[in-house]
Amino acid sequence: RKEVEQDPGPFNVPEGATVAFNCTYSNSASQSFFWYRQDCRKEPKLLMSVYSSGNEDGRFTAQLNRASQYISLLIRDSKLSDSATYLCVVNKAAGNKLTFGGGTRVLVKP
Amino acid sequence: EAGVAQSPRYKIIEKRQSVAFWCNPISGHATLYWYQQILGQGPKLLIQFQNNGVVDDSQLPKDRFSAERLKGVDSTLKIQPAKLEDSAVYLCASSHMQGAHYEQYFGPGTRLTVT
Repeated sequence: RKEVEQDPGPFNVPEGATVAFNCTYSNSASQSFFWYRQDCRKEPKLLMSVYSSGNEDGRFTAQLNRASQYISLLIRDSKLSDSATYLCVVNKAAGNKLTFGGGTRVLVKP
Repeated sequence: EAGVAQSPRYKIIEKRQSVAFWCNPISGHATLYWYQQILGQGPKLLIQFQNNGVVDDSQLPKDRFSAERLKGVDSTLKIQPAKLEDSAVYLCASSHMQGAHYEQYFGPGTRLTVT
């Protein structure tokens, strides 16, 4: 089993709609969780950290469920510019060693 | 603030040849990482440096890959000899310090094609 698993998609989303997807992780000792965004042929960039209480950044909401070992990302009012691959990232130790999932591809269409 | 710089951006070599990639992290960033990203997959950590010391190289194929970070600033990653399965994007990242709350900043990557 992979340490971090994601549905590769693509999720085809009409502009203005809401899309949500999950990521599961296998190591219960994981401490920190992040969503990174990667545009086609570009480098990954931090989208948001995921906190135990859940957190929101504009149209983006991230949730963590430690009991079931998954995190989620919800995008409201999708924009064309939200089209990208969203990478789920887990850090299981204090040394900042990140383990990336394979990514979920989102395509927002007019 | 300048970002992470990498060169070359693209490289095509034949199998069994050697290749080297260069990375210049963000100024003042003590921690440097090399990742391998195969098409359709997420980045996989190859090696992590803290200043000029290796913190983690558990996933580095040491029979063919080597990396160094002399003087704790720039870093080079070398593959010798290359195999077809080494075709990937090699990403360099840096962070201010170790620790889960320090964001990693990625460079644009070097796209390697081994034929």
